[in-house]
Amino acid sequence: DTGVSQDPRHKITKRGQNVTFRCDPISEHNRLYWYRQTLGQGPEFLTYFQNEAQLEKSRLLSDRFSAERPKGSFSTLEIQRTEQGDSAMYLCASSLVVSSGGDGYTFGSGTRLTVV
Amino acid sequence: QQPVQSPQAVILREGEDAVINCSSSKALYSVHWYRQKHGEAPVFLMILLKGGEQKGHEKISASFNEKKQQSSLYLTASQLSYSGTYFCGTEKSNFGNEKLTFGTGTRLTIIP
Repeated sequence: DTGVSQDPRHKITKRGQNVTFRCDPISEHNRLYWYRQTLGQGPEFLTYFQNEAQLEKSRLLSDRFSAERPKGSFSTLEIQRTEQGDSAMYLCASSLVVSSGGDGYTFGSGTRLTVV
Repeated sequence: QQPVQSPQAVILREGEDAVINCSSSKALYSVHWYRQKHGEAPVFLMILLKGGEQKGHEKISASFNEKKQQSSLYLTASQLSYSGTYFCGTEKSNFGNEKLTFGTGTRLTIIP
């Protein structure tokens, strides 16, 4: 397994355009998380899935953000009508959670979004 | 609510020790520690569970005080490779298996 893969690595878009990011988690992992990180800050939670079910979405997240994980495999994060404030590193992570507890997250390298 | 880390930044000479603290206002089930180097993804270091023991590997160890909702990361005889930003991630709830809320970060710089 090559770890968590994210695509693209970098995305520059004009304000108002829609963008979509993809994440391929570690195949044995059942949890998938999306976080956003700005310079000098810790990762900020966006949403997470267990298999194909979206279990929680941050209340701070506007309706412009949507995420899917069809068939419990890869996930996509879409941002509609991008704004300059959306510029950040978008991190995907996966983990294996069983009834006895969870393990650490494995993060992907992230997608750096710049909205101009 | 985001856990608070202290110090915000620290500069050490190679071989010196460091302690990084993480405090939460919420009751915690677990605390994770991650290290992130500039331009890279965070890398998992260790997890401490409620009721668990202090953990460690090599010269990096951590403790978790459930009553105070605090965790500390100890780096002993620091090496140049320890440089980076350290984040704690906290999981609240009595059941575990929740998402993590990451702290404010501590930037550690090791100089020769």
